[in-house]
Amino acid sequence: QITLKESGPTLVKPTQTLTLTCTFSGFSLSTRGVGVGWIRQPPGKALEWLALIYWDDDKRYSPSLKSSLTITKDTSKNQVVLTMTNLDPVDTATYYCAHRLIRLPFDYWGQGTLVTVSS
Amino acid sequence: EIVLTQSPGTLSLSPGERATLSCRASQSVTNTYLAWYQQKPGQAPRLLIYGASNRATGIPDRFSGSGSGTDFTLTISSLEPEDFAVYCCQQYGTSPWTFGQGTKVEIK
Repeated sequence: QITLKESGPTLVKPTQTLTLTCTFSGFSLSTRGVGVGWIRQPPGKALEWLALIYWDDDKRYSPSLKSSLTITKDTSKNQVVLTMTNLDPVDTATYYCAHRLIRLPFDYWGQGTLVTVSS
Repeated sequence: EIVLTQSPGTLSLSPGERATLSCRASQSVTNTYLAWYQQKPGQAPRLLIYGASNRATGIPDRFSGSGSGTDFTLTISSLEPEDFAVYCCQQYGTSPWTFGQGTKVEIK
């Protein structure tokens, strides 16, 4: 059974750095073809893909946010960490992590964590 | 990047009716790598359809997907009470992977 869960701060000040952790079970990020991604959704708005890391440490980023994002994995801990720098109130959103297999969409999602950016 | 435009924005229907949702891409979706998700308030998206027409595990057969190239459709043959939700499409063939803005299916 695949599960994922996001954790991190709920409130961040503008210009600060956000670090989110995705802890998962039911699969290994060392298995060929497996990836874990981050997607966010501002209140009442559409989903936006942010970043993805594959089993072989290949990393992909949204071009519009690439300069502010870093994604890493810790296979031994079954965790993926997303770091986002220089936050702005427009970054207020529910942040999800999700599992995918190469050439397939995100099939298992965490419950999401709401991050508010405000002074 | 590929922009996905969904229509209509809101669909008002009664239980038992047929729902037809559209997703149009700004350019051809590679390998028909188009997915549909259902999202209810306060919940994460749930994968319904992948590869434009393949139902994900456990998805009832009243949900079906079709299309290719730039035009895709999600059909719910007979709406059940639990089907009233927001539906969004996603292309995962070309990075950056993008989502549509969603279609809300509401009770009439």
